[in-house]
Amino acid sequence: QKEVEQNSGPLSVPEGAIASLNCTYSDRGSQSFFWYRQYSGKSPELIMFIYSNGDKEDGRFTAQLNKASQYVSLLIRDSQPSDSATYLCAVMDSSYKLIFGSGTRLLVRP
Amino acid sequence: GAVVSQHPSWVICKSGTSVKIECRSLDFQATTMFWYRQFPKQSLMLMATSNEGSKATYEQGVEKDKFLINHASLTLSTLTVTSAHPEDSSFYICSASRDGSSYNEQFFGPGTRLTVL
Repeated sequence: QKEVEQNSGPLSVPEGAIASLNCTYSDRGSQSFFWYRQYSGKSPELIMFIYSNGDKEDGRFTAQLNKASQYVSLLIRDSQPSDSATYLCAVMDSSYKLIFGSGTRLLVRP
Repeated sequence: GAVVSQHPSWVICKSGTSVKIECRSLDFQATTMFWYRQFPKQSLMLMATSNEGSKATYEQGVEKDKFLINHASLTLSTLTVTSAHPEDSSFYICSASRDGSSYNEQFFGPGTRLTVL
């Protein structure tokens, strides 16, 4: 069974701080990794994807991938109250299916 | 670009009736469409994968006779929940991928909230 694990949270950070979200996955053959943001009652929206070991930055967001440790993370710098949402980690398997983690709820306190 | 729509956005129906949900790719041709279900406070669970003109592939535990999927064209897939019951109440989300997208990225529709009374 391919699994994607996330801490459910909530992760509470003050406005302006760095939020760090973590995800581990079980399928060592996975190649593509995605972070989605989901507001309550809405469908997921893609924040970024990563496929190579190391860091990938896009604005306030940085995704980090370590395939040896089967670990992917998302850093949000200068967190804003509008960043409060559930963040879903998803891993694409060899048949191009996305396997989602259960999500981490992030609360950014003003 | 890469906009996916769903219709209806919400639906309330009586137990035993059937409900059809449409998923459309508005500005691209979707080689593959995916249907997910999300129960409250849970993650998205893939129900089935469909390719235009062929039968859908259902995930383990999903009843194909209950959740009928038709992918009639490269821009339209439909999910019909037959003889719906209260336990089918959920948030149904479709996604679509296209040839040439970055690492087979999936573009998500806005979801359909189904409530079965």
